[in-house]
Amino acid sequence: SQQGEEDPQALSIQEGENATMNCSYKTSINNLQWYRQNSGRGLVHLILIRSNEREKHSGRLRVTLDTSKKSSSLLITASRAADTASYFCATDMTTDSWGKLQFGAGTQVVVTP
Amino acid sequence: NAGVTQTPKFQVLKTGQSMTLQCAQDMNHNSMYWYRQDPGMGLRLIYYSASEGTTDKGEVPNGYNVSRLNKREFSLRLESAAPSQTSVYFCASKGQGAVGYTFGSGTRLTVV
Repeated sequence: SQQGEEDPQALSIQEGENATMNCSYKTSINNLQWYRQNSGRGLVHLILIRSNEREKHSGRLRVTLDTSKKSSSLLITASRAADTASYFCATDMTTDSWGKLQFGAGTQVVVTP
Repeated sequence: NAGVTQTPKFQVLKTGQSMTLQCAQDMNHNSMYWYRQDPGMGLRLIYYSASEGTTDKGEVPNGYNVSRLNKREFSLRLESAAPSQTSVYFCASKGQGAVGYTFGSGTRLTVV
């Protein structure tokens, strides 16, 4: 069974709008990561938030983590057509340096000009 | 460019055939992983290698074997391919202290 579940499954917005997607998970985690996947390509790491952190920013990305609700959100501000991709949350339940990620099914985001 | 290289990019197999998917990284990463991606299911971990000389099963290891040939290379073998193994396979690596995984571009495998 999957550890992470993203919501919504698909999101369609216009350029300049914000895109928000959520991730819920089932068990305690060490950290949670977000990845982007462009069509037909591999995943690219976006941001990592540790279990003792509540919010993190990277450029136009803002990630929040609520461990009491076992949920995270990814906000992309001022979206661009190039942000069109699938976004996956991944949870790491280990404290080992090598990690072992479990991925959700992803949110497909389409940004139209 | 530095990164994770997977070969082949596409492959069609007949049921019962065998093949090996190759993965190599040139970032001196300790840990390497094989995932499969199926529509609507995200990525599922098949096998991983925390460090050179070690391999462990992931969530869906049945029907697969792996070899960590050296620090750079981690191969995935299908001994007797089945249609249920039709998927996109991704190799990834992670260095000690690195924040996230680095993924290859994937191998699209179809078993007919």
